[in-house]
Formats: sequence, C-alpha cells, structure tokens
Amino acid sequence: DIQMTQSPSTLSASVGDRVTITCRASQSISSWLAWYQQKPGKAPKLLIYKASSLESGVPSRFGGSGSGTEFTLTISSLQPDDFASYYCQQYKSSSRTFGQGTRVEIK
Amino acid sequence: EVELVESGGGLVQPGESLRLSCAASGFTFSVYWMSWVRQAPGKGLEWVANIKHDGSEKYYVDSVEGRFTISRDNAKNSMFLQMNSLRPEDTAVYYCARDWYDGNSGRDFDYWGQGTLVTVSS
Repeated sequence: DIQMTQSPSTLSASVGDRVTITCRASQSISSWLAWYQQKPGKAPKLLIYKASSLESGVPSRFGGSGSGTEFTLTISSLQPDDFASYYCQQYKSSSRTFGQGTRVEIK
Repeated sequence: EVELVESGGGLVQPGESLRLSCAASGFTFSVYWMSWVRQAPGKGLEWVANIKHDGSEKYYVDSVEGRFTISRDNAKNSMFLQMNSLRPEDTAVYYCARDWYDGNSGRDFDYWGQGTLVTVSS
C-alpha cells in the first residue's frame, strides 16, 4: 500500500501569512494527488486535484505543486475562513490513502 | 445538483452488524467509482473501501478486509456498506464520496455526503 506522510501535524499562523503544508508518498504517484479542507462537523471539500489543478470555486490563494513523491499545498495569504484541517490523498492506487492531516490554527 | 445522502448509522454492540446506504442523485451514478471514507472522533480521514462503476472491482483497507462488504445497485443509484463483526475501533462518521471517472478531468472525491455516525460500544 502507498503511505502518505503529511507535515506538520499542526501549524500556527496569522491572517496574511503564507502557509505551506508538505505531503510525501512512499512511492511515486505521478501527479495523482488531491488536497482537501475540512472544518469541524463538516464533510471534506476538494481544493486541489492532479497535484496542481484548482477545483472550481476555490480561491486562487490556494495552490498545489509537486510530482512523484513530494507535494506541497500553499496558501499565499491566510484568511480567517482558512483555519481548518487539511488532508492530502493519493489516487494512483485503487486503494486510496490519506495523509494524517494538518490543523491550521490561529497564532 | 450532485447529492449524496448516507443513512443506516447507529449504536451497536461489539460483534454486531450494520448496513450503511448512500443514495446518489444529480449525476450519472453508473459511470463513477464510489468510496466509503470514515473519520473516528477527533481523528483524521481513513479511506475504507471503493467499488468500480460496474461493481466488478472492490478494494478495502486492511483493517476491514473480510468484515466489510461494499456493493452498489446502479438501477437505484445506491451504494452500500455491509459491516459485520464490528469493533469499538470502527466507531466513526462514515462518508460516501464520489470517486474516479475517466471523464472527470482527473478529479477524485469531488463530492461527499454529510456522513452517518456509527458507534460500536457495549
């Protein structure tokens, strides 16, 4: 199975900060990586697919990059609505796997 | 509008069974893979199982292999998760999610249901 390792697990930041979250795959997944945002009590929301494609309706301050085994999610200027948990997920394999998540909290 | 609605959650004792359902609408259900994803209280997301559009392929996370069975009824736009021999560690919110389709521009899990809570406790 493909393992996904996400870091950091918690991130403290202020409004306006540039934030970067990293996800590493245990083997090459090409660009078959997605990023999700989840707020408490809500279902996850797709932000980025195919490593760098922005889902329709998602603000342009969100960006994804990487290929192979190393990926990043960047929020260029953190907004109050962005304090949430973020997960990466690989879909190279039919057996999907998620990273363990990153909680972005207010500094 | 795409909609996924889960049902069937509840409180059961260890060793008992439960069947979850996911009713889909607003898209051509029969061309999409579908998945179940769960989230234990205060924990991260865990993919549980998925099923190919025609039901011919099914995959499971190791921890549920042999206990859970995923199925679908394309005529009724529905997906199911039969959960047997439930354990306390299966306690979670279970989400259904729209999975892969060749014509979906490379998206995965682009729509999710609201989730249904399964609690396994004596």
